Amino acid sequence: RKEVEQDPGPFNVPEGATVAFNCTYSNSASQSFFWYRQDCRKEPKLLMSVYSSGNEDGRFTAQLNRASQYISLLIRDSKLSDSATYLCVVNGAAGNKLTFGGGTRVLVKP
Amino acid sequence: DAGVIQSPRHEVTEMGQEVTLRCKPISGHNSLFWYRQTMMRGLELLIYFNNNVPIDDSGMPEDRFSAKMPNASFSTLKIQPSEPRDSAVYFCASSLRDGKAFFGQGTRLTVV
Repeated sequence: RKEVEQDPGPFNVPEGATVAFNCTYSNSASQSFFWYRQDCRKEPKLLMSVYSSGNEDGRFTAQLNRASQYISLLIRDSKLSDSATYLCVVNGAAGNKLTFGGGTRVLVKP
Repeated sequence: DAGVIQSPRHEVTEMGQEVTLRCKPISGHNSLFWYRQTMMRGLELLIYFNNNVPIDDSGMPEDRFSAKMPNASFSTLKIQPSEPRDSAVYFCASSLRDGKAFFGQGTRLTVV
């Protein structure tokens, strides 16, 4: 089993719609969690951290469920510019080891 | 700040040749990561350093791969000898201990 797993998609989303997807992790001792965004042929960039209480950043909402060992990302009012691959990242129990999921591809269409 | 700087951006080499990838992390960051990305395997962590010390190199594919961090501002990833299956995009990233990593633009390696 992979340490961090994601549905690869693609999620085809009409412009203006809401899309949500999850990421599961295997190490229950993982300490911190993040969502990154990667555009085609570009480097990954930090989108947002994920906190236990859940957090929002504009149209983006991230949540953490430690009991079931998954994190989620919800995008409201999708824009064409939201089309990208979203990478889930888990920081290990010690030493700042950042493990990436395989990414979920989102395609927002007019 | 200039961000994480990687060189070269592109490298084409023949099988059997030595390849050296270079990375300059963001000043003040104390963790440095080397990742490899392919369509088939996604983004794989090869090795990471804390305070210039290698912490986990379990992702390094085999002995042909080696990485060094002689000081806080420079790291190299070397492949010797290179093979076609090493073709990938290699990313370097740096962070503070908070896990928020900043990536370089990557080195696109093609081994023919």
